[in-house]
Amino acid sequence: GAGVSQSPRYKVAKRGQDVALRCDPISGHVSLFWYQQALGQGPEFLTYFQNEAQLDKSGLPSDRFFAERPEGSVSTLKIQRTQQEDSAVYLCASRVGGLGEQYFGPGTRLTVT
Amino acid sequence: AQSVAQPEDQVNVAEGNPLTVKCTYSVSGNPYLFWYVQYPNRGLQFLLKYITGDNLVKGSYGFEAEFNKSQTSFHLKKPSALVSDSALYFCAVRDGDRGSTLGRLYFGRGTQLTVWP
Repeated sequence: GAGVSQSPRYKVAKRGQDVALRCDPISGHVSLFWYQQALGQGPEFLTYFQNEAQLDKSGLPSDRFFAERPEGSVSTLKIQRTQQEDSAVYLCASRVGGLGEQYFGPGTRLTVT
Repeated sequence: AQSVAQPEDQVNVAEGNPLTVKCTYSVSGNPYLFWYVQYPNRGLQFLLKYITGDNLVKGSYGFEAEFNKSQTSFHLKKPSALVSDSALYFCAVRDGDRGSTLGRLYFGRGTQLTVWP
């Protein structure tokens, strides 16, 4: 069956540009998470949605980061005025219910030059 | 605060030998524990989880993990390693009691497992 998909897989942005990263979760999964994985590190939590409601955005590193999930399925992570320190792999995960495991997409590798 | 430690950056083992990848955790409430594996240029794949019940958990590809509450550990094990097990392994914890965290996972830094023929 279809897993979590993310697009684009790779994105190169010049410093100062805005980027938008897309996540298509597994159909029927209520919960959606975004994580940031820097090189050589484990994923770090960014934000969480339950359906269309963003219930936790405590991990977003600055107000340049914004996420939405307007219809409770596809989600977009937007980064405004990108900086070099934003270079990382951005992972999306979805979960069917409260005790379930999270299923991860392949990630979007963002490189800011 | 919630955290995970994977004390070994690398584990090397010969094919056919048993393997152990170590993980210790710190969590305020009841721990929900997970192991994920990451292959190059791919996302994290779920291996197994401990929520409650039996301390020995069996997962995908012959892997298992033992929850030890007194030692706050959740080590990943496999009786006989395969070359194809070579990958990056992540341990993660969730605080099962804190509703406000809503299931966010805290990950370790990862352990690179290499199985040589």
